[in-house]
Amino acid sequence: SAVISQKPSRDICQRGTSLTIQCQVDSQVTMMFWYRQQPGQSLTLIATANQGSEATYESGFVIDKFPISRPNLTFSTLTVSNMSPEDSSIYLCSVDLGALDTQYFGPGTRLTVL
Amino acid sequence: GENVEQHPSTLSVQEGDSAVIKCTYSDSASNYFPWYKQELGKGPQLIIDIRSNVGEKKDQRIAVTLNKTAKHFSLHITETQPEDSAVYFCAATGNQFYFGTGTSLTVIP
Repeated sequence: SAVISQKPSRDICQRGTSLTIQCQVDSQVTMMFWYRQQPGQSLTLIATANQGSEATYESGFVIDKFPISRPNLTFSTLTVSNMSPEDSSIYLCSVDLGALDTQYFGPGTRLTVL
Repeated sequence: GENVEQHPSTLSVQEGDSAVIKCTYSDSASNYFPWYKQELGKGPQLIIDIRSNVGEKKDQRIAVTLNKTAKHFSLHITETQPEDSAVYFCAATGNQFYFGTGTSLTVIP
């Protein structure tokens, strides 16, 4: 498995501002993923972030709203831009260790937008 | 794309009883089926998984069964304990993970 940390663990933000969430892994991984989990809901994939290439976004998510960086094999950031209350969710990063497709998740960032 | 349905959405059992959660999927190309446990305030934790070339897998009190023909798979927890209380998600994967809607399990002491 992998040890994954996220910062911040939670935040309360004002409408119209932006928040950058960091994801750090204790080993080098090719594939990292960002998910959104709205209150009481399942997980929805936002984008796949591979080191050295542009992130691939899922339908309904755009780069201008959720820019992602992947500067190296152990780190990624997700920015939630121009936030509205509808962006209040848990944001989770996960990694695929490259063996058997298994994904491991970080602890999540709990975002509340007022 | 894939569609994963999960039932029930909530489940309450007495401590020591068994719990069963069922998922169905639509894409016959899906070949990997993990189960995650999410405790309050935490990220999902992988608890068991199964691949399409296997019909059943066990790990202590947890087991998963897969019926490829019927496109359904199930999580079985025996001798439930209060610490099993959590939300459980199934997933089916082909080229990406598709998650079920979750089951909130409560084990009553």
